[in-house]
Amino acid sequence: DQQVKQNSPSLSVQEGRISILNCDYTNSMFDYFLWYKKYPAEGPTFLISISSIKDKNEDGRFTVFLNKSAKHLSLHIVPSQPGDSAVYFCAASDQGGSEKLVFGKGMKLTVNP
Amino acid sequence: KAGVTQTPRYLIKTRGQQVTLSCSPISGHRSVSWYQQTPGQGLQFLFEYFSETQRNKGNFPGRFSGRQFSNSRSEMNVSTLELGDSALYLCASSLDGKTYEQYFGPGTRLTVT
Repeated sequence: DQQVKQNSPSLSVQEGRISILNCDYTNSMFDYFLWYKKYPAEGPTFLISISSIKDKNEDGRFTVFLNKSAKHLSLHIVPSQPGDSAVYFCAASDQGGSEKLVFGKGMKLTVNP
Repeated sequence: KAGVTQTPRYLIKTRGQQVTLSCSPISGHRSVSWYQQTPGQGLQFLFEYFSETQRNKGNFPGRFSGRQFSNSRSEMNVSTLELGDSALYLCASSLDGKTYEQYFGPGTRLTVT
């Protein structure tokens, strides 16, 4: 049973436009959410995170929104740049219970010049 | 500060063989987690070691095992390899296991023929 779901496998946007990456989760015990970016032949790189006590966290061009009632989070990238082209993973953890991360299957973002 | 290193980067093995992968965490980090990445399942948590003790374990068969040494370096072993074990194996280190501070290595690509 997939506890963290990224239902769209890919997204293509034009440079300068907004990229919106979505993630849904089923486990109500998750209280910390993270986004990772992964380039080919490299390990995932931490991008941004959000605690369940917040509904928004912003870091430069990246903003993560959390809707706990809908068990949904999204990553907004504005403006999108060609260098943002990568696979993005949504991950969640239940910090009260364990330190393991539960990942979604990832979504490939392509930003076209 | 050097990042997380994993050796070897690529490995080809035959069904039934066993394999040992190595991970050297960032200096000072005491927690090492292992993940398996496959196209169909995304990243899945294998286990986490902290101060030479396994603290958490994912839902993988007993053929997958690991250990951590006193210098925090970690190894994972897969015995009786199956075709389905072909994957990218990633390790991540953190100071104390807090998931939002995990840093990933580039991974070891294992191919089982």
